[in-house]
Amino acid sequence: KQEVTQIPAALSVPEGENLVLNCSFTDSAIYNLQWFRQDPGKGLTSLLLIQSSQREQTSGRLNASLDKSSGRSTLYIAASQPGDSATYLCAACSNDYKLSFGAGTTVTVRA
Amino acid sequence: EADIYQTPRYLVIGTGKKITLECSQTMGHDKMYWYQQDPGMELHLIHYSYGVNSTEKGDLSSESTVSRIRTEHFPLTLESARPSHTSQYLCASEGLGYEQYFGPGTRLTVT
Repeated sequence: KQEVTQIPAALSVPEGENLVLNCSFTDSAIYNLQWFRQDPGKGLTSLLLIQSSQREQTSGRLNASLDKSSGRSTLYIAASQPGDSATYLCAACSNDYKLSFGAGTTVTVRA
Repeated sequence: EADIYQTPRYLVIGTGKKITLECSQTMGHDKMYWYQQDPGMELHLIHYSYGVNSTEKGDLSSESTVSRIRTEHFPLTLESARPSHTSQYLCASEGLGYEQYFGPGTRLTVT
């Protein structure tokens, strides 16, 4: 059974600082790795999807890397803004196409 | 922009009542999912469907049932609500690129 862990559980940074969010998974036989953002009381918004054959994916200030062999993915957010405050979840898509989620990292960007 | 809707957004109901949580999407996606999420915890898959007349139970045991009579509609029913069913329920559909799109969620409280 795939286990996904996100550390730290919470992070607080001043505006402008770069964010580094970590995700680890136990089974390296994944189809893809997805990062989501969740605002309080809301659903999830897809940020990035990295295929198992890719090493990284970029969208604007966001960059996600994937190292399947070590079971790790990292989400980088450059030049953080207060609007980046949210919970960020990673999910590993197994070869049966089901997602296993981590509990998330709650980010607070202080103005 | 993904178009996936959930109603109601919030529901407070007494023990023993029958409830149906609605989920609809207008993207024509075949795959749809129901997840359960407790505060600060990871999402757990409770039901999924790969198309009309296809429904499967997920990894987390649930006393709820689902149906998929139309592509766009994937309702979840609890025959007899209990306080242990108090949680947030998130519906999602999946596009051709395996990216999942989430609804805003239904926050259910059973008293």
